[in-house]
Amino acid sequence: QQQVKQSPQSLIVQKGGISIINCAYENTAFDYFPWYQQFPGKGPALLIAIRPDVSEKKEGRFTISFNKSAKQFSLHIMDSQPGDSATYFCAASHAGGTSYGKLTFGQGTILTVHP
Amino acid sequence: NAGVTQTPKFQVLKTGQSMTLQCAQDMNHNSMYWYRQDPGMGLRLIYYSASEGTTDKGEVPNGYNVSRLNKREFSLRLESAAPSQTSVYFCASSEWGTPNTEAFFGQGTRLTVV
Repeated sequence: QQQVKQSPQSLIVQKGGISIINCAYENTAFDYFPWYQQFPGKGPALLIAIRPDVSEKKEGRFTISFNKSAKQFSLHIMDSQPGDSATYFCAASHAGGTSYGKLTFGQGTILTVHP
Repeated sequence: NAGVTQTPKFQVLKTGQSMTLQCAQDMNHNSMYWYRQDPGMGLRLIYYSASEGTTDKGEVPNGYNVSRLNKREFSLRLESAAPSQTSVYFCASSEWGTPNTEAFFGQGTRLTVV
């Protein structure tokens, strides 16, 4: 059962363009939604995260938009750069109960930014 | 500050062989995790340890065992490797239960079972 569905699987954008990656979740108990960035041969690293009490969070060129009623969230990368070329994962977890910080990941999106 | 360190980085096993993947973190985190990454599947949780002395199954535990040796170290053991266990394995740690729940990942172990 894939509780977090991510699309697209791959994305090619031109330098300076906007990259948009979408995720949808099923478990309404999720209340923490991080995005991870992974470069080849490296482990994932936290890029930006949001909690459902806000609808948008921006850090530099990276923005998360969150729609609680639709159970969807997305990552927008403005002014995309070749250095942004990486694999991006959305994830979800819930802070309380017996979650113990376990993350449920989406399938990943391979982003390629052409110069 | 090394963060999360995994050894080895690469390993080739024959079907039926056993091995242990090692993981150590130096951030004094209470929780540690083992994930596997397969193309098109994202990362899936194998086992986790909420705190020292406890371990529990994740989404895909079959064929694996774990040991939380102390607060720093969390190992993953394959008793009888199978080709289906060919994957990239990531160890992670976090300070679960605090406002900063960021999970930090190691650089991974690329395992091939032939």
